Amino acid sequence: AQSVTQLGSHVSVSEGALVLLRCNYSSSVPPYLFWYVQYPNQGLQLLLKYTSAATLVKGINGFEAEFKKSETSFHLTKPSAHMSDAAEYFCAVSDEGGGGADGLTFGKGTHLIIQP
Amino acid sequence: GAGVSQSPRYKVAKRGQDVALRCDPISGHVSLFWYQQALGQGPEFLTYFQNEAQLDKSGLPSDRFFAERPEGSVSTLKIQRTQQEDSAVYLCASSLGSGLAGTEQYFGPGTRLTVT
Repeated sequence: AQSVTQLGSHVSVSEGALVLLRCNYSSSVPPYLFWYVQYPNQGLQLLLKYTSAATLVKGINGFEAEFKKSETSFHLTKPSAHMSDAAEYFCAVSDEGGGGADGLTFGKGTHLIIQP
Repeated sequence: GAGVSQSPRYKVAKRGQDVALRCDPISGHVSLFWYQQALGQGPEFLTYFQNEAQLDKSGLPSDRFFAERPEGSVSTLKIQRTQQEDSAVYLCASSLGSGLAGTEQYFGPGTRLTVT
């Protein structure tokens, strides 16, 4: 069974400051890891994904994440926050252990607040 | 548009009514997923189709939930005898691949169901 834990349901940073959103996963086989962003009344949009290539993954809008197997983590970072980054962020995992059924397992989400 | 579309966007049902939620995936996408997102939570997997075949329905919460994709394109999620605990946003996602873990899923805007 796989699971995702996102530490901090709300994270508040000042505009221009570093953004760090934490994600830890549990998976019995090598995982595929994703970060999605959700703006109000919109669907989820993929920010980036890890699929066993480079451990440092760069995504859209200046976000990146690093896969650390020893820490079972996949934290999302952005060097300088922008007001438009305010949204809900979800970490998700999938693996080959599901016999091909590829439903994602999501964390509970982190609401990112940007203070001017 | 080229994205995943869902209708209706909002649905209010009285307890005990049946509802049908529609998903139009991206043209040519083989895989289709349904998720349920309760307020303040991450999406939870409901069911998965590969073309017209429903390969995984392990996430459906009860036998009141039924999904179909008869021609391998449009899908309908039906909920019979709705209960208040069914109130949630129902998200549909599609992907080009046929069940390979790590394939990007594209999400629709969701249908917000409120059962009164």
